[in-house]
Amino acid sequence: QQQVKQSPQSLIVQKGGISIINCAYENTAFDYFPWYQQFPGKGPALLIAIRPDVSEKKEGRFTISFNKSAKQFSLHIMDSQPGDSATYFCAAGRGAQKLVFGQGTRLTINP
Amino acid sequence: NAGVMQNPRHLVRRRGQEARLRCSPMKGHSHVYWYRQLPEEGLKFMVYLQKENIIDESGMPKERFSAEFPKEGPSILRIQQVVRGDSAAYFCASSPYTVQGNYGYTFGSGTRLTVV
Repeated sequence: QQQVKQSPQSLIVQKGGISIINCAYENTAFDYFPWYQQFPGKGPALLIAIRPDVSEKKEGRFTISFNKSAKQFSLHIMDSQPGDSATYFCAAGRGAQKLVFGQGTRLTINP
Repeated sequence: NAGVMQNPRHLVRRRGQEARLRCSPMKGHSHVYWYRQLPEEGLKFMVYLQKENIIDESGMPKERFSAEFPKEGPSILRIQQVVRGDSAAYFCASSPYTVQGNYGYTFGSGTRLTVV
């Protein structure tokens, strides 16, 4: 019930391409879905987040697509750059309760 | 406006010693969350605290681990009698209180604990 499943585990994309990472959740009570970016040796940093009342949110090159009926959401990185190479985590939460994180996706952008 | 401050950044302990990890939340944030991250793995929730209260400790091992967030001072995660399996990065996050709930964790840079 509390799990968030993330795929793929690792992803290699050419510079300028589109990176897509997917997540699925089980608990329909979740009402907040953030994505975090983590560089080696650093803490996770909030990238973009969405609430279930919208199906898409875009911030610069980053877009979250949300499918409430399928209980899935995804991160799209347009025009991927080498500086985007990092580990990405999706998460889900409700109110003040803990965020449940996916297993992470290691993204590599080849120049 | 300083972010979430964690110290120490690196901590080495011998088996059987105690480890104390500190976290000062962002100014105005009253909710603190501790997570553990093993190498090449995701973030596992440990405990959620508000000032002087433990709200959710469902991710804390039943023995050797404890956490507090006193009225004054930082939140402390304490690990007694450390074992090699405790070696990990420990992250603290804080979140502001809002009427709608708490969103948008801000993470610290973590404490990397190595047990030798």
